[in-house]
Amino acid sequence: DQQVKQNSPSLSVQEGRISILNCDYTNSMFDYFLWYKKYPAEGPTFLISISSIKDKNEDGRFTVFLNKSAKHLSLHIVPSQPGDSAVYFCAASGGTYKYIFGTGTRLKVLA
Amino acid sequence: DAGITQSPRHKVTETGTPVTLRCHQTENHRYMYWYRQDPGHGLRLIHYSYGVKDTDKGEVSDGYSVSRSKTEDFLLTLESATSSQTSVYFCAISESRERNRGGYGYTFGSGTRLTVV
Repeated sequence: DQQVKQNSPSLSVQEGRISILNCDYTNSMFDYFLWYKKYPAEGPTFLISISSIKDKNEDGRFTVFLNKSAKHLSLHIVPSQPGDSAVYFCAASGGTYKYIFGTGTRLKVLA
Repeated sequence: DAGITQSPRHKVTETGTPVTLRCHQTENHRYMYWYRQDPGHGLRLIHYSYGVKDTDKGEVSDGYSVSRSKTEDFLLTLESATSSQTSVYFCAISESRERNRGGYGYTFGSGTRLTVV
């Protein structure tokens, strides 16, 4: 039973355009959400977070949007750069110090 | 970056043998986690620790045990390795429940690629 789902295994975007990565969750108790980025042969690195009291959080080229009623969050990267090519994981937590991760989306930014 | 190292980085072992993976941190963080990464499954929690000698099971704990006798070390043992345990294993640490809940999440190690033949 996958509580956090990333339904697009892969995404290709042209350099300079917007990348939109999506994540859906089923547990209404989740109240903190994270995005991680992972390059091959490295561990995931923290990218951006959002709590359920907000619907948007921005950090430079990265913006995360949260739609609580739809149990959906998305990560926008604009403009996309070739160095953004990686696997992106969303993760959710609800009242504990454990995070549940999604299956990941492989982003490829084409030069 | 937080000081977290995993050893070994790569290991090939035979079915039925015991295997221990080590996670070592120099940050004095209270919480430590073991995840495995598999295609189509993302990152799944195996076991976690919330203090010395305090551990608990995650989503996919069958066939694994852990020990934490010191703050800095968290060991993952595969009692009798099977081919289904071929995976990339990641250790993660977090400083406190408050910082973790505050959206800082975890810091991950570089991973151990384990192949069971």
